[in-house]
Amino acid sequence: EPEVTQTPSHQVTQMGQEVILRCVPISNHLYFYWYRQILGQKVEFLVSFYNNEISEKSEIFDDQFSVERPDGSNFTLKIRSTKLEDSAMYFCASSEGQWADQPQHFGDGTRLSIL
Amino acid sequence: AQSVTQLGSHVSVSEGALVLLRCNYSSSVPPYLFWYVQYPNQGLQLLLKYTTGATLVKGINGFEAEFKKSETSFHLTKPSAHMSDAAEYFCAVTRGGGSQGNLIFGKGTKLSVKP
Repeated sequence: EPEVTQTPSHQVTQMGQEVILRCVPISNHLYFYWYRQILGQKVEFLVSFYNNEISEKSEIFDDQFSVERPDGSNFTLKIRSTKLEDSAMYFCASSEGQWADQPQHFGDGTRLSIL
Repeated sequence: AQSVTQLGSHVSVSEGALVLLRCNYSSSVPPYLFWYVQYPNQGLQLLLKYTTGATLVKGINGFEAEFKKSETSFHLTKPSAHMSDAAEYFCAVTRGGGSQGNLIFGKGTKLSVKP
């Protein structure tokens, strides 16, 4: 069964450094999402992306964050200048469409640790 | 605005016993409701979903959930727990009426199954 893949599985970065988290969505999916889960807290929506532009974003997704689909397969989340509070598990998801009978499929996540 | 509350961060049952994981939601529009499961070191896997129609929905691995609008609940059940059911379970809601939008998750309930 096709799956969403995320790399790396664990990223350790110094505070203030830029980090790029990578995702390969399922190949025929058109909608892409990033979520994060701070340890012990809820999974929170960050951003959704369709047709090469952001379709929705949360308050968390400030100017430090950006997303990009640099080629036909990858979907990336960039954090420009990381803060300690960015430490979390980041999940990428994709869906074939935006309807509820086309649910979001999640990757295994990237654990981001900011030192 | 929408929100999800999962009662009980940790539920422990014996193998063969009934599993009941509680989820209550708040939504100003007809919701779509989902249950996801997360096994250790893995991503979120869709168990089942409710959009419209039949209020009792069946999912994978013998799980089912019932949408009760009057109680604003979407509790997850399984008649007989198996050791392999040990995982964390997340209830999620999104706006209904067509496009699913971003998922809003509960805090999760960790299920332990005792032999």
